[in-house]
Amino acid sequence: QVQLQESGPGLVKSSETLSLTCSVSGGSMTHYYWNWIRQPPGKGLEWIGYVYSNGDTNYNPSLKGRVTISLDTSKNQFTLNLNSVTAADTAVYYCATEDLPWKGFDPWGQGTLVTVSS
Amino acid sequence: QSALTQPPSASGSPGQSVTISCTGTSSDVGGYNYVSWYQQHPGKAPKLMIYEVTKRPSGVPDRFSGSKAGNTASLTVSGLQAEDEADYYCSSYTGSHNLGVFGGGTKLTVL
Repeated sequence: QVQLQESGPGLVKSSETLSLTCSVSGGSMTHYYWNWIRQPPGKGLEWIGYVYSNGDTNYNPSLKGRVTISLDTSKNQFTLNLNSVTAADTAVYYCATEDLPWKGFDPWGQGTLVTVSS
Repeated sequence: QSALTQPPSASGSPGQSVTISCTGTSSDVGGYNYVSWYQQHPGKAPKLMIYEVTKRPSGVPDRFSGSKAGNTASLTVSGLQAEDEADYYCSSYTGSHNLGVFGGGTKLTVL
């Protein structure tokens, strides 16, 4: 069973770039979609985007221009970069996978809280 | 794309059944069979409970069931148990450019 684990700084300064890594263990990254999803404190889920195992990407239009998701299959990792962050980007960030877009995210990482400070 | 509409809260007593709705449009819920439901306990990651409207992943109790009628999908929890108390989110594929959308979430309370 595939397991996911997020890692990265818990505190990022406003206007800087948020960078997180999701490490994948227990399975191959081939033929899967690798997603980032976030949840502001006390609020609902927001899909950020995905990278497919061939490197193709797709992003939430509301974040387009600020987000990049990349894949490193040699390290069994994928990475989220979100630039020009503001307090509105403070959230728990989850990585999750699926075999087809929006078929069902399973499994998820445990999540990591990123706080944007001024 | 707009978020799917869920009731903010739902409740039921142990042993009862409760249904949570998820309303979208013909461009998302009504147009595709890629509706999923997630359970989230406080401080935990969401867990997939239902996918493709009605299917349960391995390990999910058959007390959880999904359905869809028109633009509204529903999650029914039968034989409510204390551990079912959690937030529940729906999601749907929207078809356009492989995009999708989540619902706003429903807090289920077991009385």
